[in-house]
Amino acid sequence: QVQLVESGGGLVKPGGSLRLSCAASGFTFSDYYMSWIRQAPGKGLEWVSYISSSGSTIYYADSVKGRFTISRDNAKNSLYLQMNSLRAEDTAVYYCASSRSIAASFDYWGQGTLVTVSS
Amino acid sequence: SYVLTQPPSVSVAPGQTARITCGGNNIGSKSVHWYQQKPGQAPVLVVYDDSDRPSGIPERFSGSNSGNTATLTISRVEAGDEADYYCQVWDSSSDHQVFGGGTKLTVL
Repeated sequence: QVQLVESGGGLVKPGGSLRLSCAASGFTFSDYYMSWIRQAPGKGLEWVSYISSSGSTIYYADSVKGRFTISRDNAKNSLYLQMNSLRAEDTAVYYCASSRSIAASFDYWGQGTLVTVSS
Repeated sequence: SYVLTQPPSVSVAPGQTARITCGGNNIGSKSVHWYQQKPGQAPVLVVYDDSDRPSGIPERFSGSNSGNTATLTISRVEAGDEADYYCQVWDSSSDHQVFGGGTKLTVL
């Protein structure tokens, strides 16, 4: 069955960095577009970043552009999010999610990993 | 940037029909997707491409989209349907995925 498992979350100080990973299994990872979506405590869903199946097309939300970098390794069935210059407002559960195309729905979601930015 | 507007809350008695709206400028020209999220869990897709249901989602869940409003309809509401519901679209003009603010469905 399809599985997306995020890891790498934790407590980090403002201005610090963190790298999230998402391990995929149960489907042909290289055929799917992937996104990171976050949810601050008690708040709604916020899309963070998107990468095409080949990695050639990448988009970012304005709130993270220039600070976060999305990447993927299709040989390892893995998605990554490098987060730099972290701020308190980046505190959230980060989910990875898969979609068949850029306008398609997010069919599968991971269980999420919590990132807390605090001094 | 494109904005999706949902009511913060909707309440319905068991067995009745719940309708959750998602407003956006000419949203009828976009494909709308709906997600259900229960406390402490990841979101689950319940309707995609305006009105299609993934396998395993009950027929009680349906969707429509026209003009400036998309609607998720849940018929014969059950206690287990109590959750937050989010609409989502791809905005090609900004190359951004957009989520609505979410609607908390309460089953009375």
